[in-house]
Amino acid sequence: DAEITQSPRHKITETGRQVTLACHQTWNHNNMFWYRQDLGHGLRLIHYSYGVHDTNKGEVSDGYSVSRSNTEDLPLTLESAASSQTSVYFCASSETRGPYEQYFGPGTRLTVT
Amino acid sequence: AQSVSQHNHHVILSEAASLELGCNYSYGGTVNLFWYVQYPGQHLQLLLKYFSGDPLVKGIKGFEAEFIKSKFSFNLRKPSVQWSDTAEYFCAVGSGNTPLVFGKGTRLSVIA
Repeated sequence: DAEITQSPRHKITETGRQVTLACHQTWNHNNMFWYRQDLGHGLRLIHYSYGVHDTNKGEVSDGYSVSRSNTEDLPLTLESAASSQTSVYFCASSETRGPYEQYFGPGTRLTVT
Repeated sequence: AQSVSQHNHHVILSEAASLELGCNYSYGGTVNLFWYVQYPGQHLQLLLKYFSGDPLVKGIKGFEAEFIKSKFSFNLRKPSVQWSDTAEYFCAVGSGNTPLVFGKGTRLSVIA
């Protein structure tokens, strides 16, 4: 069955370190998304991609970057981790035609100390 | 820009009670609407979706939602909740091939 996997599932890092969260999907979807989930804020869009070599900023993109070198993967990099980036991160993918429902990965819980 | 408002932050119901969770969105064009559920410690799963056609949409586990265009609403309903429905519920709106915009979620607690 097609799926989205994320790794690591849990990560503890120190302030100032660079961190990369992996996202891999086998749906063969062109669209991929990164969200962060925080209490009281729901899901907020960080970055998204409509295909290889395409990336776009979302609502809360400061301090994060992505790159898309193939269809299956969209890694999320925190350039210099900050305590405000402690959160649960979800990757999602969708088709480029309706109804555009998004399929989510299991999430990565990141703690920045 | 699109936005989604979920008015109930936390709802507590007894088993067998009826459920209605409110969702309103702001966008004047054609929309696609979704309800997702997140069980404790898990990822988001699709409950149901509206893309076109019949505004009354039926989803999994006995959930349904009604799209009322004039009210910009897409409320989620279930006639009789079970303890296993305890979860967080998210409404989301999209338009064409754009990222979904999510509401802040409603936590549902079902007690025996």
